[in-house]
Amino acid sequence: AQSVTQPDIHITVSEGASLELRCNYSYGATPYLFWYVQSPGQGLQLLLKYFSGDTLVQGIKGFEAEFKRSQSSFNLRKPSVHWSDAAEYFCAVGAMGQAGTALIFGKGTTLSVSS
Amino acid sequence: SAVISQKPSRDICQRGTSLTIQCQVDSQVTMMFWYRQQPGQSLTLIATANQGSEATYESGFVIDKFPISRPNLTFSTLTVSNMSPEDSSIYLCSVSVGTGSSAQYFGPGTRLTVT
Repeated sequence: AQSVTQPDIHITVSEGASLELRCNYSYGATPYLFWYVQSPGQGLQLLLKYFSGDTLVQGIKGFEAEFKRSQSSFNLRKPSVHWSDAAEYFCAVGAMGQAGTALIFGKGTTLSVSS
Repeated sequence: SAVISQKPSRDICQRGTSLTIQCQVDSQVTMMFWYRQQPGQSLTLIATANQGSEATYESGFVIDKFPISRPNLTFSTLTVSNMSPEDSSIYLCSVSVGTGSSAQYFGPGTRLTVT
């Protein structure tokens, strides 16, 4: 069955430290992969997406993610975390080449930033 | 990308009543989706709404409880009928943008509390 696993429910990082949020997926075909961020009381904002090509993708707000097919992973990274990055982060997978296919979401990782 | 608005942004409703949530997009899109995010949970797809045809519901969701309209390519409504406290959630609409892409953009959500 198709699924997305985010192993870390809650992570606390010091401001200025690096960040890595883990995401593993199970998908029968070549997936489209996404990271979304949800700030308190806000909707979901698309951080970045991977469709094909370079496996290291750059997103907004200084985030990047690396697709590793052999590990079925799509981990999100940021070299230096800012207090405003505190939010809920969701990894999602969609069907490649199929516009309008609904996304499958992981359960999310809550990021807290300490000063 | 697409700019999506939802009305209302939040509401508190009594059990047994119904609430209709509106979703407006700033461009014409083929596919619109309705998701539910229960407190502290990830997103679960309720249904896919295509213009000119019946909505397609996911397992566990039925049309009598969550009727959907899609009168044109920029607008959709979701009604939560005969509400109970278990329906307290954030309801989000999203659209798929781009040919051959399953990238989705989300509205800000409607926070529903049922008392």
